[in-house]
Amino acid sequence: KNEVEQSPQNLTAQEGEFITINCSYSVGISALHWLQQHPGGGIVSLFMLSSGKKKHGRLIATINIQEKHSSLHITASHPRDSAVYICAVGDSWGKLQFGAGTQVVVTP
Amino acid sequence: EAQVTQNPRYLITVTGKKLTVTCSQNMNHEYMSWYRQDPGLGLRQIYYSMNVEVTDKGDVPEGYKVSRKEKRNFPLILESPSPNQTSLYFCASSFRDRVGEQYFGPGTRLTVT
Repeated sequence: KNEVEQSPQNLTAQEGEFITINCSYSVGISALHWLQQHPGGGIVSLFMLSSGKKKHGRLIATINIQEKHSSLHITASHPRDSAVYICAVGDSWGKLQFGAGTQVVVTP
Repeated sequence: EAQVTQNPRYLITVTGKKLTVTCSQNMNHEYMSWYRQDPGLGLRQIYYSMNVEVTDKGDVPEGYKVSRKEKRNFPLILESPSPNQTSLYFCASSFRDRVGEQYFGPGTRLTVT
């Protein structure tokens, strides 16, 4: 069983819709990370969270340490948001474990 | 330009022929890491390094070696590649206290026949 579970696996939204991706984990962590993998394969780090909430543009990430759960929200989604979003959890020494990813498609 | 470079980008090789995939970063990052990505399995960490001469195993280290003799370089060595090491490999780096803000290389697609 993967210690990092993401849902949904796939998501299709219309442009402008609000999108939520969920990540649950079962291990103790130092921080949780959200990554974005573009259709061309490139990977970009979006957020690192150890508590609370972070916002960058139309992206918002939250974490609930007690419930071992994080969400990534995309507000006013746009076709350029189409990508795979990956959750990862890490310990204090740099070891990371990844979720399987959520494929997001935003249609015009 | 701040970047992580990997070479080669594509490689087709045969079982048992030793190979090295190089990774280099120009951002003075302490932390470097290697990942493999496979369909249905997602990203998995192979090895990581918090600083020069310090390396640790990730979730899937079998069949791989790494070394960190210089801060900027973190090569991945496959001493005797096998077909189950056919994969897409990513190198990444960050400052050691900002592991969540990793810069990823472009990836190396390796096929072992």
